[in-house]
Amino acid sequence: DAGVIQSPRHEVTEMGQEVTLRCKPISGHDYLFWYRQTMMRGLELLIYFNNNVPIDDSGMPEDRFSAKMPNASFSTLKIQPSEPRDSAVYFCASSFELPPQETQYFGPGTRLLVL
Amino acid sequence: DQQVKQNSPSLSVQEGRISILNCDYTNSMFDYFLWYKKYPAEGPTFLISISSIKDKNEDGRFTVFLNKSAKHLSLHIVPSQPGDSAVYFCAAFKDSNYQLIWGAGTKLIIKP
Repeated sequence: DAGVIQSPRHEVTEMGQEVTLRCKPISGHDYLFWYRQTMMRGLELLIYFNNNVPIDDSGMPEDRFSAKMPNASFSTLKIQPSEPRDSAVYFCASSFELPPQETQYFGPGTRLLVL
Repeated sequence: DQQVKQNSPSLSVQEGRISILNCDYTNSMFDYFLWYKKYPAEGPTFLISISSIKDKNEDGRFTVFLNKSAKHLSLHIVPSQPGDSAVYFCAAFKDSNYQLIWGAGTKLIIKP
């Protein structure tokens, strides 16, 4: 398996634009997680899905953020409109079970810069 | 309010010596603690974990110690190798409502 795949790897956009980040989890994993990493706050869990259903989105910063998982092999995280403070590295991760019973496997991340 | 704190942003250690990475937490109800390692331009990878009912877990060169009374855990790497240079994240897990709280990370630099 190729591991968790994220695209794009880098995104530079202007404030106010819509940004869509994509993730393909490891085949067979029932859980998918979206994280955001910043220097100030470290790694934050934004939302996670189980069998394509959002279970907990309490980490999503505000209504400008939305996440979907239309099928078991694809998820998106959308920011509309984007703001400079959204600049961060966004990670997607997947696992068979919830941690710590099962290891999460992380993608390489998408580095987002909002100008 | 940061529930998991890694107070050292970076740590430099000589190759062959012991590296000790520290993590403090505020919530005594956490059930598990995990350490992840992250290389530049890659996602974090799981390293080692410890249940709150234990005080030590060892895996090769890596040992995690948990001091519940002090709400403190540490990761020991012995001996340190150049490939250990990475950012290390501490994370705490609460089973009852699935919370996985991460620290900000500590950058470990192993000097040859």
